[in-house]
Amino acid sequence: AQSVSQHNHHVILSEAASLELGCNYSYGGTVNLFWYVQYPGQHLQLLLKYFSGDPLVKGIKGFEAEFIKSKFSFNLRKPSVQWSDTAEYFCAVNMWDDKIIFGKGTRLHILP
Amino acid sequence: DVKVTQSSRYLVKRTGEKVFLECVQDMDHENMFWYRQDPGLGLRLIYFSYDVKMKEKGDIPEGYSVSREKKERFSLILESASTNQTSMYLCASSFLLGLTSGGDTTDTQYFGPGTRLTVL
Repeated sequence: AQSVSQHNHHVILSEAASLELGCNYSYGGTVNLFWYVQYPGQHLQLLLKYFSGDPLVKGIKGFEAEFIKSKFSFNLRKPSVQWSDTAEYFCAVNMWDDKIIFGKGTRLHILP
Repeated sequence: DVKVTQSSRYLVKRTGEKVFLECVQDMDHENMFWYRQDPGLGLRLIYFSYDVKMKEKGDIPEGYSVSREKKERFSLILESASTNQTSMYLCASSFLLGLTSGGDTTDTQYFGPGTRLTVL
């Protein structure tokens, strides 16, 4: 069955540290890829998405992600995190139909 | 701005009760989705609908049913609530995402605020 794996369930960083959150999916066909963020007490909102074209996509708030097809990966990165990036991050993949499958999420905690 | 609204933010029900969760979107989206979100399990798809009166099972449909009589409204029904259905329920909507519509990838999912359901 198709699945989405997020490597870390809980990440703790200090402000200004660099961030990379891993995401892998299991499906050999065409995919659309997403990262969503949920700040404490708020809605899920889209951070960035990849549909086609340049595999390095830039999103809001300085986040970017790189689609590496050969590795079935879509890792999220940010060069210098801020306290306000404390949130839960979800990788999601749209495969052969209009369903979107989510990973289990990564809780990111930034120490001030 | 896309708006997806859910009828309640918090709901407390008793075991065995029938529960209705309502979701309304105002952007003429074809697709609507119901997820439940549990700590450590992420979002799991319960049901989705790609058109009025159409529905597809997601990954965890057992114990749930849905209704889509109008394009803008998608209801989730718990026929007989149980304690293991205590969760946060999220509704989402989108235009067709493209892989089933010839590559016209016009949009992504927009989420409602969620309904936190507690079944006692």
